Amino acid sequence: QKEVEQDPGPLSVPEGAIVSLNCTYSNSAFQYFMWYRQYSRKGPELLMYTYSSGNKEDGRFTAQVDKSSKYISLFIRDSQPSDSATYLCAIKGGATNKLIFGTGTLLAVQP
Amino acid sequence: GAVVSQHPSRVICKSGTSVKIECRSLDFQATTMFWYRQFPKQSLMLMATSNEGSKATYEQGVEKDKFLINHASLTLSTLTVTSAHPEDSSFYICSAAQLRPNTEAFFGQGTRLTVV
Repeated sequence: QKEVEQDPGPLSVPEGAIVSLNCTYSNSAFQYFMWYRQYSRKGPELLMYTYSSGNKEDGRFTAQVDKSSKYISLFIRDSQPSDSATYLCAIKGGATNKLIFGTGTLLAVQP
Repeated sequence: GAVVSQHPSRVICKSGTSVKIECRSLDFQATTMFWYRQFPKQSLMLMATSNEGSKATYEQGVEKDKFLINHASLTLSTLTVTSAHPEDSSFYICSAAQLRPNTEAFFGQGTRLTVV
C-alpha cells in the first residue's frame, strides 16, 4: 500500500465550478498536511499547510483534514482557467521530516 | 513565502558529461535541502536529503556516486549528475527547509535536464 494515494485524474470542470481534490494516507503518525500547485514545467508552489483536523480557508481554497479517516481534501470555489494545473497533496511527520507526495491530480478548468 | 532559486532552468548535455545544478535559498537559512526527480505526468520522487555540513542521505535505489550532492552552506546545495546518460533526462527539483518539523519546504523552479 502506498503511503499516500491520490487520484491522478485528469479532472475537467467548467469555469465557476467547485473542485474537490482528495488524498488518503496510511500512517497515522503523519502530522502535517500540505497542498501544492504545480504548473507545467515549474516547481511546486505551496497552497495550503495544516497540521490539525478540521478546515482551513484561504480565499477560494479550503483544506480539510480528517485524521480519524486519514483523508485530506482541497476545495476550490469559483474555479478559474488559471487554476488549471497539477495539484499535489503532501504529508510529513513520523520518524523523518521528509515530504511524501501523492501522484498529483491534473485539473483543467474550461472557460 | 520564501524564495528558492534553482539554476539552470534548462540544460542539454552530451552523454558522458557531468552537469551541476544549483539550489539557493535567497531569504532564509536552509538547514535541510531535498532533491527530487520528476518524470512526465508523475509525482516527485525524493532522491536525497542533505543537511548543511554533513553527507547527504540517499533514498533507496539512488546511486550516490552518480548523483553527487553538496550542501556546503546554509543557502546553497548542488546536485551534480556525473557521466550523464539519456535515461538521466528528467525534471530535477530542489526544496529547502529549516530543520524544524512544523516548517514549510519551499521549492525551486526545477531544472529540465536533457542528455543527448
